[in-house]
Amino acid sequence: AQSVTQPDIHITVSEGASLELRCNYSYGATPYLFWYVQSPGQGLQLLLKYFSGDTLVQGIKGFEAEFKRSQSSFNLRKPSVHWSDAAEYFCAVGSGGYQKVTFGTGTKLQVIP
Amino acid sequence: NAGVTQTPKFQVLKTGQSMTLQCAQDMNHNSMYWYRQDPGMGLRLIYYSASEGTTDKGEVPNGYNVSRLNKREFSLRLESAAPSQTSVYFCASRERLAGGAAYEQYFGPGTRLTVT
Repeated sequence: AQSVTQPDIHITVSEGASLELRCNYSYGATPYLFWYVQSPGQGLQLLLKYFSGDTLVQGIKGFEAEFKRSQSSFNLRKPSVHWSDAAEYFCAVGSGGYQKVTFGTGTKLQVIP
Repeated sequence: NAGVTQTPKFQVLKTGQSMTLQCAQDMNHNSMYWYRQDPGMGLRLIYYSASEGTTDKGEVPNGYNVSRLNKREFSLRLESAAPSQTSVYFCASRERLAGGAAYEQYFGPGTRLTVT
């Protein structure tokens, strides 16, 4: 069965600092990987996705993620965090049949001035 | 395009009451999903519908039923609400891109349900 682990429940960074959110997955075949962001009281918005090709993918809002098959990881990064990035971030893995997506438990990002 | 819409946005129920959460999408997507979100547990799949006329159980289907009314609409029903069903419910839809590429889900704004 597929699964996703986000080991950091809560992360605090200073505005302007770099950010890395960790995501590890378990899946038997080539995974389809996603990062979503959720602002308070809102639904989820896609930041970026990976399914093949270049292992470094660019997303919206200046985010990027790198797929590392050997480490079963898909970490999200941003070089310089803005206060508006404070939100909860979810990593997700999709099945080969496209029908099921499994979400991690999320990482809450706090940005301090 | 409105995307994915959900009604109601908020609801308070008493234990044992029933209600139906409505979801509609205007993106002509084949697949639709219902999730619940609880603190520290991420999103858990309740039911999904791969295409019009089909529905399947997800991780946590107990206490819920669904109806895929047509391609646009996918409703979630709580027949006898319990306090354990207090949660935020999200509907999502998705479509397969040409060539079998991965595709993302589009989420509605959620329904915040409290069962007392």
